[in-house]
Amino acid sequence: GAVVSQHPSWVICKSGTSVKIECRSLDFQATTMFWYRQFPKQSLMLMATSNEGSKATYEQGVEKDKFLINHASLTLSTLTVTSAHPEDSSFYICSDVDYQNQETQYFGPGTRLLVL
Amino acid sequence: AQTVTQSQPEMSVQEAETVTLSCTYDTSESDYYLFWYKQPPSRQMILVIRQEAYKQQNATENRFSVNFQKAAKSFSLKISDSQLGDAAMYFCAYRISGAGSYQLTFGKGTKLSVIP
Repeated sequence: GAVVSQHPSWVICKSGTSVKIECRSLDFQATTMFWYRQFPKQSLMLMATSNEGSKATYEQGVEKDKFLINHASLTLSTLTVTSAHPEDSSFYICSDVDYQNQETQYFGPGTRLLVL
Repeated sequence: AQTVTQSQPEMSVQEAETVTLSCTYDTSESDYYLFWYKQPPSRQMILVIRQEAYKQQNATENRFSVNFQKAAKSFSLKISDSQLGDAAMYFCAYRISGAGSYQLTFGKGTKLSVIP
């Protein structure tokens, strides 16, 4: 399957700072990528769909000014958590869509964010 | 709206034995995809198996196989000869077929423990 990388794998930051998470599609050009959030012992919650060259599509209840998504190239999408607060602490996962493999989603290894 | 239900929050199996994880879904669509993803303690989401709804033949991948019952909207995962490395959260997921329809709907997951 496709290979997706995320960086950093974990980050600790102070409340009020912004944190950028990178998601890279290593095998192919991904025009569509997804960002998920996962709380402990829960399923994945879709936050937004990242579209190359256009604005991201956010799910209901997700603050677009809080979670800035940029998909400036076909292999890179970034999620910036702006003015992070402790309630933003979570596990963030991205995925890309492999069009050559029945549009299957393959996931990055995730980023663990802890806001103090 | 599509929903995916995993009725077993936790399951356990003896090493080398067989276990079946249940998944049901609700949809009015006739063409779609179903997936099982595995999330081990590392939290990396790994695709286990995929099933196209238009295919009557059940998908198999080595020790993993599914029992797809389209009329009953059931999609169970059977793991044969269970190994310690199979211990993980397993998520059932659904996606409608069609261009641009890449979003996954996940179940809440089943935690599988493998007893040595």
